[in-house]
Amino acid sequence: SQQGEEDPQALSIQEGENATMNCSYKTSINNLQWYRQNSGRGLVHLILIRSNEREKHSGRLRVTLDTSKKSSSLLITASRAADTASYFCATDKPGTASKLTFGTGTRLQVTL
Amino acid sequence: EAGVAQSPRYKIIEKRQSVAFWCNPISGHATLYWYQQILGQGPKLLIQFQNNGVVDDSQLPKDRFSAERLKGVDSTLKIQPAKLEDSAVYLCASRHPLRGTFGTEAFFGQGTRLTVV
Repeated sequence: SQQGEEDPQALSIQEGENATMNCSYKTSINNLQWYRQNSGRGLVHLILIRSNEREKHSGRLRVTLDTSKKSSSLLITASRAADTASYFCATDKPGTASKLTFGTGTRLQVTL
Repeated sequence: EAGVAQSPRYKIIEKRQSVAFWCNPISGHATLYWYQQILGQGPKLLIQFQNNGVVDDSQLPKDRFSAERLKGVDSTLKIQPAKLEDSAVYLCASRHPLRGTFGTEAFFGQGTRLTVV
């Protein structure tokens, strides 16, 4: 079963614009992670935010976490064509021996 | 550091045939996952190993899928017999076990794209 659902399912923006995608999940978590997947490739880890953190930055990425609403957002600033990919959130639930459960993904298209 | 290795990259088989996928995780990573990713969907966990023991196989179709991780290192995932709906990308990932309360990231292989015709 999918723990998280990303919103929107698809997003198309122009290079230089910001892209925001959201993730909602159902149960309490230890952490929430974001991954990127280029077409036909494996997933690459982008950023991990702990359940006791509210915001985290890494380069052009900004992640927020609201555990009261069971939601997270990923912001990519100044997007580039190379950011075109699918983005997935994944959650670690407490007491599940590091079981990592993925959401449904957001397909981001960045055009020149 | 070498990444997670998977083979083959692509496989085409006829329904009712058998197929096996291989995964070599990052050295020292005790946790190993196999995920199934159908086109347009998120990865779905099939089985999770901790060393050579199974932690979770609740979503593994055990009538046709099997997996093993001998000696707690390499792993194989087998489908016998395959169905059309098994067409998907099969992803292997590894990570350190949960460290403290908050955990670590997973590292993925490139996946095996299976087409069942």
